[in-house]
Amino acid sequence: DTAVSQTPKYLVTQMGNDKSIKCEQNLGHDTMYWYKQDSKKFLKIMFSYNNKELIINETVPNRFSPKSPDKAHLNLHINSLELGDSAVYFCASSPRQHLAGNTIYFGEGSWLTVV
Amino acid sequence: DAKTTQPPSMDCAEGRAANLPCNHSTISGNEYVYWYRQIHSQGPQYIIHGLKNNETNEMASLIITEDRKSSTLILPHATLRDTAVYYCIVRVSTGTASKLTFGTGTRLQVTL
Repeated sequence: DTAVSQTPKYLVTQMGNDKSIKCEQNLGHDTMYWYKQDSKKFLKIMFSYNNKELIINETVPNRFSPKSPDKAHLNLHINSLELGDSAVYFCASSPRQHLAGNTIYFGEGSWLTVV
Repeated sequence: DAKTTQPPSMDCAEGRAANLPCNHSTISGNEYVYWYRQIHSQGPQYIIHGLKNNETNEMASLIITEDRKSSTLILPHATLRDTAVYYCIVRVSTGTASKLTFGTGTRLQVTL
C-alpha cells in the first residue's frame, strides 16, 4: 500500500493551460505539504495544510492554489502554466504539524513539463 | 531553520561503512537533526532523526556530538542501492509551523 500517492506521475502540457495534481495519504496524518524540486534539484516547500487549514504559504505565485477537501487529500491546482513551472512536485504528510519530532513522509513525485 | 553544511560528494566501497558528516554549528536547543535521502527519480526517503542522543534504526545510526554542532550518519554496510543524495536537515517547530528546509546534500556513490 502506497502511503502518500500522487497522480499523475507524469504530465506534459502547453503554456497557458490549467492543471491539477492530486495527492492522497492513507497514514491518518493531520498535516500535508507540497514541495517543489526544480531543475537544479533544490527541494523547497510551497504549502502546508493542517486539518484542512493553510499553515505554511511560502512565496509562491497566486497561480498556484492548494485545495484540501479533507485531511487525507491535498490537491495542487496551477493556472496559466508557464515554462518555469516545469519541475517535480512532491506531496508529503506528517502526523502533526507543530511537533518538530514528527517525521514527514514523501510521495514519489509528479513530473510536470510545460512546453 | 539552522543552516547545515555537507560535503558535495563522497564515495564508498560496497560492504564498507559510509560515514556522512554534517555541520550545523548554529543549531538551537529545540532543533532536531533529520536525515533524508533521495534516490534518483524517487521521493525523499526518511532515514533517521535525533535531538541530543545518538540514534539507531534498521537503516542507519546517527551520531550527534555533545555540543550538537555536528553529526554523522552511518550506513554500516553500504550497498549499491544506497547510492543517493543524502540530506542533513535541522528542523525547528515554531508555534504551529514546522517544515523541512533542504540544502544541497551529499551525493554518495557506492562502488563495487
